[in-house]
Amino acid sequence: DIQMTQSPSSLSASVGDRVTITCRASQRIARNLNWYQHKPGKAPKLLIYAATSLQSGVPSRFSGSGFATDFTLTLSGLQPEDFATYYCQQSYSSPITFGQGTRLEI
Amino acid sequence: ERQLVESGGGVVRPGGSLRLSCAASGFTFEDYGMSWVRQVSGKGLEWVAGIKWNGDNTGYADSVKGRFTISRDNVKNSLYLQMNSLRAEDTALYYCAKARSSGPDYLFGMDVWGQGTTVTVSS
Repeated sequence: DIQMTQSPSSLSASVGDRVTITCRASQRIARNLNWYQHKPGKAPKLLIYAATSLQSGVPSRFSGSGFATDFTLTLSGLQPEDFATYYCQQSYSSPITFGQGTRLEI
Repeated sequence: ERQLVESGGGVVRPGGSLRLSCAASGFTFEDYGMSWVRQVSGKGLEWVAGIKWNGDNTGYADSVKGRFTISRDNVKNSLYLQMNSLRAEDTALYYCAKARSSGPDYLFGMDVWGQGTTVTVSS
């Protein structure tokens, strides 16, 4: 199984800040990497698919980069609604696996 | 509006069985792979199982392989998860989710999610 490792596990930031979350895969996965935002009591929300593509309706302050084993999610100009937990997920091979999550706190 | 609605959760004793259902609407269900994803309270997301668009290929997390079975009925626009030999560690909120891209596989990002149904395994 492909292991996904996110860092940091938690992060404190302020409105307006730029933050970066990293995700490392235990083997090469090309660009088969997706990012989600998850808030308590809500369904997860797809932000970025195929490593760099912005999902429809997601603000452009979210961006993704990376290839093979190393990936990043960048949030530029944090808004109050961005404070949540973020997960990476590989869709290269079954079983699909998620990172352990990064909790973004004020 | 594309929508997924899960049902069938509840309280079950260890070793028991439960069948979850997910009703899809607002998109052509048969065109997409589907998955079940769960979240234990206070923990992260865990993919449980996936199924290709015509049901002829499935995949499972190691933690549920041999105990859970994913299936679908494209006529009824429904996804199912049969859970047998349930354990306390299966207690979680279970989501169904749609693959982002049309095509046979479930190996994509997941762009539509239900609100989840809660399964509690306890004596």
